[in-house]
Amino acid sequence: SAVISQKPSRDICQRGTSLTIQCQVDSQVTMMFWYRQQPGQSLTLIATANQGSEATYESGFVIDKFPISRPNLTFSTLTVSNMSPEDSSIYLCSAPIMGDITDTQYFGPGTRLTVL
Amino acid sequence: AQTVTQSQPEMSVQEAETVTLSCTYDTSESDYYLFWYKQPPSRQMILVIRQEAYKQQNATENRFSVNFQKAAKSFSLKISDSQLGDAAMYFCAYRGFGVGSGTYKYIFGTGTRLKVLA
Repeated sequence: SAVISQKPSRDICQRGTSLTIQCQVDSQVTMMFWYRQQPGQSLTLIATANQGSEATYESGFVIDKFPISRPNLTFSTLTVSNMSPEDSSIYLCSAPIMGDITDTQYFGPGTRLTVL
Repeated sequence: AQTVTQSQPEMSVQEAETVTLSCTYDTSESDYYLFWYKQPPSRQMILVIRQEAYKQQNATENRFSVNFQKAAKSFSLKISDSQLGDAAMYFCAYRGFGVGSGTYKYIFGTGTRLKVLA
């Protein structure tokens, strides 16, 4: 398995502001994934972040709203821009571990975001 | 497109009893992976068990086992000797293949909330 940490664990923000969420993995990984989990819902993939290339966004998510950085093989950030109350969710990052042929994803503890 | 369906929004089980959570999926692929994840109130997604589609033998991990029926596209999770710590949301997930080489996307079901009664 892998240890994945996220910062912050929770935050309360005002509408119109931006929040950057950090995700750190304790080993090198090629792919990192960012998910949104709205209250009581399942996980929805926002984007896939590969080191050295642009993130690949899923339908309904755009780079201007959710810019992602992936500066190295152990770290990624997701920014939630120009926030509105509809962005209140848990945001999770995940990564499959190199050498695991099943590419099982391991998850960070999540960031609970509340937008007022 | 692949889909994952969990038809039981909530289940209850007595402590020390056995419970089965159901999951069905739809795919045209012949090779894939299936997973069960547990999400307790702490929000941490924890891998419970995984199954490779090309393996006929059902996966087991201690008190957790699956009943994988490939032809029926069914992947249920059995929890034996249920414990209070098993109370959580359980998500079934399918690992598909995304756009571009080396990208693998998960598709999650809607989850089943498991309550364990003392």
